[in-house]
Amino acid sequence: GAGVSQSPSNKVTEKGKDVELRCDPISGHTALYWYRQRLGQGLEFLIYFQGNSAPDKSGLPSDRFSAERTGESVSTLTIQRTQQEDSAVYLCASSLSGSSGSVDTQYFGPGTRLTVL
Amino acid sequence: AQTVTQSQPEMSVQEAETVTLSCTYDTSESDYYLFWYKQPPSRQMILVIRQEAYKQQNATENRFSVNFQKAAKSFSLKISDSQLGDAAMYFCAYNQGGKLIFGQGTELSVKP
Repeated sequence: GAGVSQSPSNKVTEKGKDVELRCDPISGHTALYWYRQRLGQGLEFLIYFQGNSAPDKSGLPSDRFSAERTGESVSTLTIQRTQQEDSAVYLCASSLSGSSGSVDTQYFGPGTRLTVL
Repeated sequence: AQTVTQSQPEMSVQEAETVTLSCTYDTSESDYYLFWYKQPPSRQMILVIRQEAYKQQNATENRFSVNFQKAAKSFSLKISDSQLGDAAMYFCAYNQGGKLIFGQGTELSVKP
């Protein structure tokens, strides 16, 4: 079946603009995760959804970052008033379930490369 | 807080040879899960292998195997018969309540 998809693949924006990044998880996966990967670094957790609710938002770096998920499917990560330090690859992953302690494998999308000029 | 450390920023291996990538982690939990992911230049994170801490047997997936030392909190990845397609960034990760905590990665190059 289809894997996790993300759009756009690349996004270039000017400092101060808002951006929206989209993630379409694997059909039937109830858990959805957003990660950020700065150049040459590992992945940093941002937020986790179980269904449409977000029990763990601990990784969001500031109140400029927000995310929502609708219909237990697509998720949107919004960054307001973008800054140059927001430049990174934003990766989305989904898994079959995401209850605390779940060990279902997370399947990743190809990511969105965000460049803030 | 749990942390994951990969002390080798870069590694190189000759095609058909064996290479071992190191990973250590810190946790106070007794039951947990560990993963190795591969990230080629395409950016796609691909699961290589996973290990459940309560299982004493080291996980194996074809040419990939792990050496899991629970007491030492070490989780190394061994790649046998290395192939050109194995060239990529490799990330070790610890599962914490569903979310993954990643190491900084090891860039593996394979020489023909």
